[in-house]
Amino acid sequence: GQSLEQPSEVTAVEGAIVQINCTYQTSGFYGLSWYQQHDGGAPTFLSYNALDGLEETGRFSSFLSRSDSYGYLLLQELQMKDSASYFCAVIRDDKIIFGKGTRLHILP
Amino acid sequence: NAGVTQTPKFRVLKTGQSMTLLCAQDMNHEYMYWYRQDPGMGLRLIHYSVGEGTTAKGEVPDGYNVSRLKKQNFLLGLESAAPSQTSVYFCASSYRLSSTDTQYFGPGTRLTVL
Repeated sequence: GQSLEQPSEVTAVEGAIVQINCTYQTSGFYGLSWYQQHDGGAPTFLSYNALDGLEETGRFSSFLSRSDSYGYLLLQELQMKDSASYFCAVIRDDKIIFGKGTRLHILP
Repeated sequence: NAGVTQTPKFRVLKTGQSMTLLCAQDMNHEYMYWYRQDPGMGLRLIHYSVGEGTTAKGEVPDGYNVSRLKKQNFLLGLESAAPSQTSVYFCASSYRLSSTDTQYFGPGTRLTVL
């Protein structure tokens, strides 16, 4: 089976940096993904890590440590539009299994 | 390119009624998925398909059936709706699952079962 753990909520200040952690327990693991979902919207893909290390895409970076079964999403230069829920997800076989999501609140 | 579309966007059912949710994609994707999303529960996989004519069970398949008769369409059926099936349903598709082939989600269907 598989399970993913991430904090339910995180609060940060506009312009700051925030890290959202994700730990997973799964067998046959292929990679870790991150998705963003605004209220009332559909999830959209942010990043994917198949190998250990840091992947950078603009203001967003994602990190994976397979030996620690751990990853995180790093958001820099936070903007109010980054207020959303963020989901980590593992790719296994032909499926993506999502965590329960982290609600990011941004204060002005 | 419309991407992934879902029909209907909203629906209210009475307990015991049946309905079919339609998902269509115009990206020639092989893989299609149905998820349900409930508050605090994230996205849970109901059923999925890795190609035309194939279907497989996900995490929460009970009470649902699916069909993939055409590559571009993936239907989700509720034969006898129950209040526990009140949720937002998302369809997604991908060419395959890899670092370069991500999932694309439809806008969602909000279903209420009374």
